[in-house]
Amino acid sequence: AQSVAQPEDQVNVAEGNPLTVKCTYSVSGNPYLFWYVQYPNRGLQFLLKYITGDNLVKGSYGFEAEFNKSQTSFHLKKPSALVSDSALYFCAVRDGYNQGGKLIFGQGTELSVKP
Amino acid sequence: GAVVSQHPSRVICKSGTSVKIECRSLDFQATTMFWYRQFPKKSLMLMATSNEGSKATYEQGVEKDKFLINHASLTLSTLTVTSAHPEDSSFYICSARGVDQPQHFGDGTRLSIL
Repeated sequence: AQSVAQPEDQVNVAEGNPLTVKCTYSVSGNPYLFWYVQYPNRGLQFLLKYITGDNLVKGSYGFEAEFNKSQTSFHLKKPSALVSDSALYFCAVRDGYNQGGKLIFGQGTELSVKP
Repeated sequence: GAVVSQHPSRVICKSGTSVKIECRSLDFQATTMFWYRQFPKKSLMLMATSNEGSKATYEQGVEKDKFLINHASLTLSTLTVTSAHPEDSSFYICSARGVDQPQHFGDGTRLSIL
């Protein structure tokens, strides 16, 4: 069965500092991994995905994520956080062998960036 | 980039009425659409998956007669909450996926039943 874990409910970072939002996954087949961001009273915005290729994936708004197969992790990172990055972040996984498969979401991590 | 439009963004109505929410993919053909429900500061709960021209597949515990889903075309899916009650109040989000596309999400509908 597929699952995603985001071990931190909340991450607090000072503006200008690097940020990391953690995600680990479990999937029986080939993992397709995604990060989404949600601002208050809005839907989810796609940030980046890993399907295949380079383990370091670059996405929107300066975010990047590193796929680590041995640790089954896909942590989201940004070198210098902005106050406007404060939002709810979701990691998600889909079994790549199952093209009709569902996206399984982590429980979300609330990122708070203080000035 | 791909855009999913969800309408209305907010609905307030009386208990017992039915509410229809529309979800449109604006610049791609959505072979699969998904409907989620989200409680405050919680993750998304998948309610159902629909493929164009087919009946929706509902997740366990979701009443299909309560939450009617129609996916009549490759760009439109609707969710109708029938005979809505206060416990149906929630944030409903649709999502669409095309071939070789990540899932894109609508902006959600805040449903409040009085």
